Amino acid sequence: NAGVTQTPKFQVLKTGQSMTLQCAQDMNHEYMSWYRQDPGMGLRLIHYSVGAGITDQGEVPNGYNVSRSTTEDFPLRLLSAAPSQTSVYFCASSYSGGGREQYFGPGTRLTVT
Amino acid sequence: QQQVKQSPQSLIVQKGGIPIINCAYENTAFDYFPWYQQFPGKGPALLIAIRPDVSEKKEGRFTISFNKSAKQFSLHIMDSQPGDSATYFCAVSGGYQKVTFGTGTKLQVIP
Repeated sequence: NAGVTQTPKFQVLKTGQSMTLQCAQDMNHEYMSWYRQDPGMGLRLIHYSVGAGITDQGEVPNGYNVSRSTTEDFPLRLLSAAPSQTSVYFCASSYSGGGREQYFGPGTRLTVT
Repeated sequence: QQQVKQSPQSLIVQKGGIPIINCAYENTAFDYFPWYQQFPGKGPALLIAIRPDVSEKKEGRFTISFNKSAKQFSLHIMDSQPGDSATYFCAVSGGYQKVTFGTGTKLQVIP
């Protein structure tokens, strides 16, 4: 199993550009989530999904969109990038509700100039 | 409102020492308390987790102590090694509530 995969590993955007961060898992997990990690702030939940077709907002959802058309994939879209979105983004999946025992991807380091 | 408070922010111990990282929470509905370990450039990985019906759980050199009445839980690393140098995060969740992570503790174990 590849586990949780994320692409790209690194990305530089200009302010106002849009892009999609990809996340896929091959463990047939229902629960998937996106976090951003900033120095001194830990991991903050952006959006999560409890199954295909079901998504909900986390702690810091503004400026991000998600969709979940399949169990395997959970892309994160930045609509109009801002410097405040410079961060490391992690996707995670879990077989159980409430995000228990989450498996994290390797992360995407995003810089917005 | 901060759901979970983690301390200390950073910690330096000698090899063989027992670093202790603490987390405190407010919501008594939480029923799952994991610890994650993260090495530089990697994603967090689940290390150990506890539920509130037990006061202690051990896995290898890692121990969680849980104090339900004080709403606190802590991670102890026995016989710490330089390879344990990493950032450690506690987290809390309950039912289908969203997972909330602590702010992290950067541990350095010096030889």
